[in-house]
This record gives sequence, structure tokens and C-alpha cells, in this order.
Amino acid sequence: EDKVVQSPLSLVVHEGDTVTLNCSYEVTNFRSLLWYKQEKKAPTFLFMLTSSGIEKKSGRLSSILDKKELSSILNITATQTGDSAIYLCAAPQRAGGTSYGKLTFGQGTILTVHP
Amino acid sequence: GAVVSQHPSRVICKSGTSVKIECRSLDFQATTMFWYRQFPKQSLMLMATSNEGSKATYEQGVEKDKFLINHASLTLSTLTVTSAHPEDSSFYICSATPGQGYYGYTFGSGTRLTVV
Repeated sequence: EDKVVQSPLSLVVHEGDTVTLNCSYEVTNFRSLLWYKQEKKAPTFLFMLTSSGIEKKSGRLSSILDKKELSSILNITATQTGDSAIYLCAAPQRAGGTSYGKLTFGQGTILTVHP
Repeated sequence: GAVVSQHPSRVICKSGTSVKIECRSLDFQATTMFWYRQFPKQSLMLMATSNEGSKATYEQGVEKDKFLINHASLTLSTLTVTSAHPEDSSFYICSATPGQGYYGYTFGSGTRLTVV
């Protein structure tokens, strides 16, 4: 059974701090790893990682995959109160052909950024 | 971009009644839809996978007679919580994917169910 584990489960920082969120996975027929941010409602997509060592960047957020270590990190620099959310890491199960099956989510990291 | 509409966003019902939640893909055909349940400050827990025109596949521990899923068309899946009890109160989220190739998983905005 596929498994995704995130750490830490919660993190409290002050504005301006840099944070690193971790995600490790055990997935049969690995295809990609996804990062999401969830505030009050639906998760919003952040990154999809498929290749090891290639950093994906979006503003103050960046993420990288390490296939050797079966892990990924999500970095947030110069945190702001608006970054407070649950950050979810997920791995899609490979379905038939090029189809994507269900997502296996990690437990999530609750990030709280204080002013 | 791909949009999934979930309705209602919030519902309060009495114990013993049934509640239907709809999930629609607005601009793509969703071969597969997923239903999740989320407790406060926790991750999403997959309840079932529904494929258009066939029976849903339920995850272990999820009662199929309690949580009825119908995926009658390529744009609509419904989750019916039957004979709801207070312990069914939760946040339910659907997700849809076209299935072929990677277009991502698009999530609905969720339904907050409160059973009183």
C-alpha cells in the first residue's frame, strides 16, 4: 500500500522566517509528487514534481524532489501571515495506461505564521 | 482551467435524514471522481473512487450503504449520506480528473455537513 508521510505535523513561526516542510513516500510505480496548500476550503495546487533534483519555484515557495531518498521538501522564505495553512503532500497512484488513479495524502503540516 | 463545482457548501440536517452532495466538472469530462472526508486540522481521507457508469470503489472501513455514490454522467457525481448521525458531521470534498494524461486533480470547494 502506498504511503506518504509529512513532517513536522505542525509548525509555528513568525513573519519573515523561512520554513522547510518535509514529505517522504513509499509508492509503487512512482509517477509524481504533488504539493497543495489548503486554507479554509479546497486544496489549491502548488507544485507537481516528477524529476529528481529540479527545483520548482513560485514566488517565495520552492520545492524539490529527491528520488534516491524518496522525499521532497517545500520551502517557504520570508513567511507571511497569509502563508498560514495546511500544506499537503500527495502521490497519485498509477492507473491503467496514462490514467491517474487515487491520491494518497500525507497527514499534512499545519503552518501558523504569527505577525 | 478545470473547474469543479461542489454543492451545497454548507448543510445542516437532522439525525436520521439523508443528505445529497453534488460534484460537477464544469469544463471537462471527469472519467474519475474521488470523494474525501476531512476532520478538523487533519488531512484528506479518501472515502471512495467513482468511475462514470460503474460502481464506486470504497476504501476499507467506509460503509457503502451509508455513503452512496453515483457517477451517472461524465460531469456529475453525487454522494448521499444516508440516515445521517452526528458522527457523520465533517467536511466532504470531491476531486475530479479527466483520467488520461496529466491535467491534475481539481478539487471542489467542499461541503461542511453538520448533523444535529
